Amino acid sequence: GAGVSQSPSNKVTEKGKDVELRCDPISGHTALYWYRQSLGQGLEFLIYFQGNSAPDKSGLPSDRFSAERTGGSVSTLTIQRTQQEDSAVYLCASSLGAGGTGELFFGEGSRLTVL
Amino acid sequence: SQQGEEDPQALSIQEGENATMNCSYKTSINNLQWYRQNSGRGLVHLILIRSNEREKHSGRLRVTLDTSKKSSSLLITASRAADTASYFCATGRGGADGLTFGKGTHLIIQP
Repeated sequence: GAGVSQSPSNKVTEKGKDVELRCDPISGHTALYWYRQSLGQGLEFLIYFQGNSAPDKSGLPSDRFSAERTGGSVSTLTIQRTQQEDSAVYLCASSLGAGGTGELFFGEGSRLTVL
Repeated sequence: SQQGEEDPQALSIQEGENATMNCSYKTSINNLQWYRQNSGRGLVHLILIRSNEREKHSGRLRVTLDTSKKSSSLLITASRAADTASYFCATGRGGADGLTFGKGTHLIIQP
């Protein structure tokens, strides 16, 4: 597909379980972002990958959150020992340009519900 | 931390009227972008304005940027019911930083 693909689209899990969310960016896009959006709220920055540079992890809310980007393409966001407050929509976006200089293309998000 | 703050948080107008949303930010920027989000969907890019530009148009959209006041406005003319959505501004500072979003303005167009 030509757009950013995220999976799963919906995930329901029990408190304490680990979850993995996947993002497949647009081919050739060097920048990849993860954001979190709680119901009716704005976007909370989580992590930013740019090419081969060390990622900007400054937005990760706790050490239960981690992300990696393999081969400069697909990214996985992992949440360990999930808590109810982790319930949100997790949005991934990619961009051709670096440093927020260009348009971001968003996926449809992964909706996480922690029971 | 939030860089951009949209104002108002919510706006309800009649179809055909113009809608104006504002965005303020705190630090110097390379560019400012506006995005739209329909309920339950991802964000869609609307327009990008660079720091050396003052105004930009795209169809029914008009964006202004005042770097001295660190503010931007998005004007949607002749609004339609399909314009009902949340609108977010985002600022980019270039360099190693990414893009930072505000909390959004929820726009409702009454038919």
